[in-house]
Amino acid sequence: LAKTTQPISMDSYEGQEVNITCSHNNIATNDYITWYQQFPSQGPRFIIQGYKTKVTNEVASLFIPADRKSSTLSLPRVSLSDTAVYYCLLRGSQGNLIFGKGTKLSVKP
Amino acid sequence: DAGVTQSPTHLIKTRGQHVTLRCSPISGHKSVSWYQQVLGQGPQFIFQYYEKEERGRGNFPDRFSARQFPNYSSELNVNALLLGDSALYLCASSLTIGESSYNEQFFGPGTRLTVL
Repeated sequence: LAKTTQPISMDSYEGQEVNITCSHNNIATNDYITWYQQFPSQGPRFIIQGYKTKVTNEVASLFIPADRKSSTLSLPRVSLSDTAVYYCLLRGSQGNLIFGKGTKLSVKP
Repeated sequence: DAGVTQSPTHLIKTRGQHVTLRCSPISGHKSVSWYQQVLGQGPQFIFQYYEKEERGRGNFPDRFSARQFPNYSSELNVNALLLGDSALYLCASSLTIGESSYNEQFFGPGTRLTVL
């Protein structure tokens, strides 16, 4: 099974841009890279998904290099409410999501 | 529109008992997946159902079982509960299954199970 590796934790301050990098060296040709956000005692919430190059939506950008062995989630101008755990994951062959331990982002005032 | 709903929100059981957790997907979604999230860890895949058939199974013992009903709601059953089964059980629904980029999974709030 393909696995992802991301930093356990990151600290930031309000208004800064946050970049979280995820490594997925064994990504399969048909795997999509998906990022979820999770607040304590809540279910994960979809943020963004991509296959290659760059994807942008109203909350984040996702950068994927040509070899697809890593990806970077970019959160522009974070606020205190962005404090959460962020998961980088690959969609399995069955369509199921394979979660790692995630990155705990702490945004400080 | 209602999102994914799960019941109950909290549950306390003792070792050896069994438990049934329920999930109602978003209207129109035909696939339901179950995940277990132990404190401090990411969710772990248990089952995926689509059109009332099991389409995927994670690395969980046979004490765990599930089913999907004609209205696409689902139940997760766990028998002979162990202390290690204490976790947040998450249900996610999607329109269909497979690797398509359109099959985004929407998660419910989860059921917090405590086994004493």
